[in-house]
Amino acid sequence: DIQMTQSPSSLSASVGDKVTITCRASQSVSRYLKWYQQKPGKAPKLLIYAVSTLQSGVPLRFSGSEFGTDFTLTISSLQPEDFATYYCHQSYIPPYTFGQGTTLQIK
Amino acid sequence: EVQLVQSGTEVRKPGESLRISCKASGYSFTTYWIGWVRQMPGKGLEWMGIISPGDSQTKYSPSFQDQVTISADKSISTAYLQWNRLKASDTAMYYCARHNDGPDYWGQGTLVTVSS
Repeated sequence: DIQMTQSPSSLSASVGDKVTITCRASQSVSRYLKWYQQKPGKAPKLLIYAVSTLQSGVPLRFSGSEFGTDFTLTISSLQPEDFATYYCHQSYIPPYTFGQGTTLQIK
Repeated sequence: EVQLVQSGTEVRKPGESLRISCKASGYSFTTYWIGWVRQMPGKGLEWMGIISPGDSQTKYSPSFQDQVTISADKSISTAYLQWNRLKASDTAMYYCARHNDGPDYWGQGTLVTVSS
């Protein structure tokens, strides 16, 4: 199975900060990499697909990039509604797998 | 508008069987794979498996193979997740999700509690 290792597992930041979350794949996942946001008691929401393409309606402060098998989600200027848990996901080779999640908390 | 509407909260005893459902609307049901994701209390997302509603081909995570059955009825645009013998460790929130190179649209979740 492809392992997706996210870091950090939790992060404290303030409104207006720039934050970056990293996801490392244990092998190539090509561009089959998505990022999700989940708030407590809610279903996950798709933010980014194909590494760097924003899902319709997602604010431009979110962006995704890759460096080989390392993938990053960046939020350029944190807003109050961005405090949530974020997951990466690979759908290149089944079984498809999620990262363990990064919880973004208010400092 | 794509919508996935899941069946309601379930409470069962260990050893009982259960089937939960996910009704899709707003797109051609047979065009996309659809699958299930588990989230145990306070934990992360786990990909369970998917089904192609057109031909019923399935792909399972080894962690869930032989533990659950994923099926679909294309005549009513509904996917199912079934257990034959529930365990306490099956207590979790279960989400269905349409797969378009990975989940894109999600259901609201079905909470399953297994307790004696």
